[in-house]
Amino acid sequence: EAGVTQFPSHSVIEKGQTVTLRCDPISGHDNLYWYRRVMGKEIKFLLHFVKESKQDESGMPNNRFLAERTGGTYSTLKVQPAELEDSGVYFCASSEITGGREQFFGPGTRLTVL
Amino acid sequence: GQQLNQSPQSMFIQEGEDVSMNCTSSSIFNTWLWYKQDPGEGPVLLIALYKAGELTSNGRLTAQFGITRKDSFLNISASIPSDVGIYFCAGRNGATNKLIFGTGTLLAVQP
Repeated sequence: EAGVTQFPSHSVIEKGQTVTLRCDPISGHDNLYWYRRVMGKEIKFLLHFVKESKQDESGMPNNRFLAERTGGTYSTLKVQPAELEDSGVYFCASSEITGGREQFFGPGTRLTVL
Repeated sequence: GQQLNQSPQSMFIQEGEDVSMNCTSSSIFNTWLWYKQDPGEGPVLLIALYKAGELTSNGRLTAQFGITRKDSFLNISASIPSDVGIYFCAGRNGATNKLIFGTGTLLAVQP
């Protein structure tokens, strides 16, 4: 069974540019999560999809971040325009059912904003 | 918001030594999880704890869910070089599915 995959693995962009990160969850997982780890700090929750619906987006930093999950399969996270403080590793995770089942993480996308 | 205090921040030990790390919170959690992250990879679940007082083992790893539901520890016995990595605790309070993570413990094992 394929795990959670993320693309790209690394992205280096300049301040003001736009970047789109993609996550493909484990097949059949309705729950999809985005997290972010800024250098040396804890991994922080960004948002949670149940199928195509946003269940919890309390962790989204500001309106420069837009997450979508059209069709309830893969998800994209777009940052527009990117700022220096957006640099970090963005993790995607998926889980099978709501509550009680644990989250499986992808390898992450390392974003560097110059 | 909720925060987890994880300690120590880093540990440098000799192969064969035992290791202990812990997390504390000002809030109650219904679930405590321990993850390990290898370089270039995402966090991998090591142990999940669902009941206060629960003590669970996974090979050389042992973790406990504190009786107050505000803390957890992870022990690694007889460390080996492949134990190197960053260990994260995470809690979930049951109201939502989101995980609250600790800041991580960097473990280095000298062969």
